[in-house]
Amino acid sequence: EVQLLESGGGLAQPGGSLRLSCEASGFTFSTYVMSWVRQAPGKGLEWVSSIGVSGGRTYYADSVKGRFTISRDNSKNTLYLQMSSLRAEDTALYYCAKDPLLYDSPHYFDYWGQGALVTVSS
Amino acid sequence: DIVMTQSPDSLAVSLGERATINCKSSQSIFHSPNNKNYLAWYQQKPGQPPKLLIYWASTRESGVPDRFSGSGSGTDFTLTISSLQAEDVAVYYCHHYYTIPLAFGGGTKVEIK
Repeated sequence: EVQLLESGGGLAQPGGSLRLSCEASGFTFSTYVMSWVRQAPGKGLEWVSSIGVSGGRTYYADSVKGRFTISRDNSKNTLYLQMSSLRAEDTALYYCAKDPLLYDSPHYFDYWGQGALVTVSS
Repeated sequence: DIVMTQSPDSLAVSLGERATINCKSSQSIFHSPNNKNYLAWYQQKPGQPPKLLIYWASTRESGVPDRFSGSGSGTDFTLTISSLQAEDVAVYYCHHYYTIPLAFGGGTKVEIK
């Protein structure tokens, strides 16, 4: 059974940093593109970032480019999102999501975690 | 960037009746070399992560009831629930994956009339 378990969420001050983790199980983590998608409270879905299977290719939304860094450790079956220079508008539930296709670029998402809540406030 | 626009924002449908949700992309998301539309649909119930329903615009994900169907091509797409059930109350999102940045529609809330 595929499982994605996010952790690392919490309260951060504006300008601060936070690192999210997503531990994957139930599939061969190293062969799938992984992504982060966020959802602000009461709002819709926003794609944040994706990473290729080896970590060599990364993709970002303009809203987080230069502030967020996606990475993965295939030996630990874990996806990361390092968030810095945080803003109030980054407040959201951050979902880890798995791509179902064997390509090195993101497509759609067949499995999602339960999400990690990030709140940016002073 | 491709912008996804859903309509309506919400709709109320009687049990057993048809629900239709529209999604329009600001440019074509049809890839002629493989003859595929790069569009997915998700269902999100309160307090839950999104669930994949449809991909490649019309391919139903395994385990999704056949009352859910996707159609359309190019820039105009539709998700149809042929006979609404109580468990279908949710917000539905379309999502293009044609280019970076990926993008979602704003969502359509489906309720029981």
